[in-house]
Amino acid sequence: AQSVTQLDSHVSVSEGTPVLLRCNYSSSYSPSLFWYVQHPNKGLQLLLKYTSAATLVKGINGFEAEFKKSETSFHLTKPSAHMSDAAEYFCVVSAPYGGSQGNLIFGKGTKLSVKP
Amino acid sequence: DTGVSQDPRHKITKRGQNVTFRCDPISEHNRLYWYRQTLGQGPEFLTYFQNEAQLEKSRLLSDRFSAERPKGSFSTLEIQRTEQGDSAMYLCASSLEGIGNTEAFFGQGTRLTVV
Repeated sequence: AQSVTQLDSHVSVSEGTPVLLRCNYSSSYSPSLFWYVQHPNKGLQLLLKYTSAATLVKGINGFEAEFKKSETSFHLTKPSAHMSDAAEYFCVVSAPYGGSQGNLIFGKGTKLSVKP
Repeated sequence: DTGVSQDPRHKITKRGQNVTFRCDPISEHNRLYWYRQTLGQGPEFLTYFQNEAQLEKSRLLSDRFSAERPKGSFSTLEIQRTEQGDSAMYLCASSLEGIGNTEAFFGQGTRLTVV
């Protein structure tokens, strides 16, 4: 069965400093992994996805994530935080090719605060 | 706008009433998902369709909940005899089936408040 664990419920950074949001996954298949962002009163938006191609994945708004199979991790990073990055971030795992589950499994989310 | 749309955006209902939500997915997408998100939590899977077939249901989907996708296009989620615990954001998503095509696009959700 697939699952994701987001290691921090809340991360606070200063504007211009690096961002690290941590995610560990568990999957009995070769996983597809995603990061989604949710701004207040807005729909979930895909930041980036990993689907067994390059292990370093670049997404929108300067975010990137590295798939590390040995550590079962898929941490999200950004070199320099911007005030507009303040939002809730979700790490998501999916079984490719359908498998026995065709759904997306969400982590509990990490709320990112950015201080001026 | 060719994204996923949900209607209504907000619904307030009295306990015990029935409610129905609609989701219109991206037109060429054959997978459609329903999720529920409560305050401070990540979305929780409820059910999904491949075309008109409902392929999986979560244990969260009690017998008061039913979902349909009759023609493989739009979908409805009905909750009968609503309870206060049903208050949540109900999210719909769609995706294109296929290898690597598991990116899901989400609607803005229907926020249900049961009073």
